[in-house]
Amino acid sequence: EPEVTQTPSHQVTQMGQEVILRCVPISNHLYFYWYRQILGQKVEFLVSFYNNEISEKSEIFDDQFSVERPDGSNFTLKIRSTKLEDSAMYFCASTRDSAGTDTQYFGPGTRLTVL
Amino acid sequence: DAKTTQPPSMDCAEGRAANLPCNHSTISGNEYVYWYRQIHSQGPQYIIHGLKNNETNEMASLIITEDRKSSTLILPHATLRDTAVYYCIVRRKGAGSYQLTFGKGTKLSVIP
Repeated sequence: EPEVTQTPSHQVTQMGQEVILRCVPISNHLYFYWYRQILGQKVEFLVSFYNNEISEKSEIFDDQFSVERPDGSNFTLKIRSTKLEDSAMYFCASTRDSAGTDTQYFGPGTRLTVL
Repeated sequence: DAKTTQPPSMDCAEGRAANLPCNHSTISGNEYVYWYRQIHSQGPQYIIHGLKNNETNEMASLIITEDRKSSTLILPHATLRDTAVYYCIVRRKGAGSYQLTFGKGTKLSVIP
């Protein structure tokens, strides 16, 4: 069964450094998402991406964050200058199409630790 | 999207059916009910979704009341591996918002 994959599984970085989290969505999917979950808290939506553009973003997704689909398979989340409060699990998800009824499938997540 | 209410925790004996309730009294006609679960800090796993009819798949059954104001997720024979946080999410279909809004969910503990 096709799966969303994410790398790395764990990233440790120093405050102020840039990090790039990588995701490979399911191959025939067209909508892509990033969510995050701070330890002990809810899963929160960050951004959705379709047709090489951001469709929606939350208040969390400020100028420090960016997303990109650099090639036909990868979908990345960049944090330009990490803060301590960016420490969280980051989940990528994808959906087959934009019908709105299609299911989002999540990857296993990247644990980001900012020191 | 409509808000959902779930009990914070439930226990279920291994091998028995786990029935997880969800209230979504403000649901509108174009909103689906989705269920996901999260085991430890793994990525949320899709379980099932429905609009107004009851649904069943290899993982679970979803029973939606006739007025659509509540639903129940049924795991027919719970195993220890079903211990997880279960999220009931209401989401619009069609153009517009596709994000999933997660609440705190129900922490299901399956007991040997």
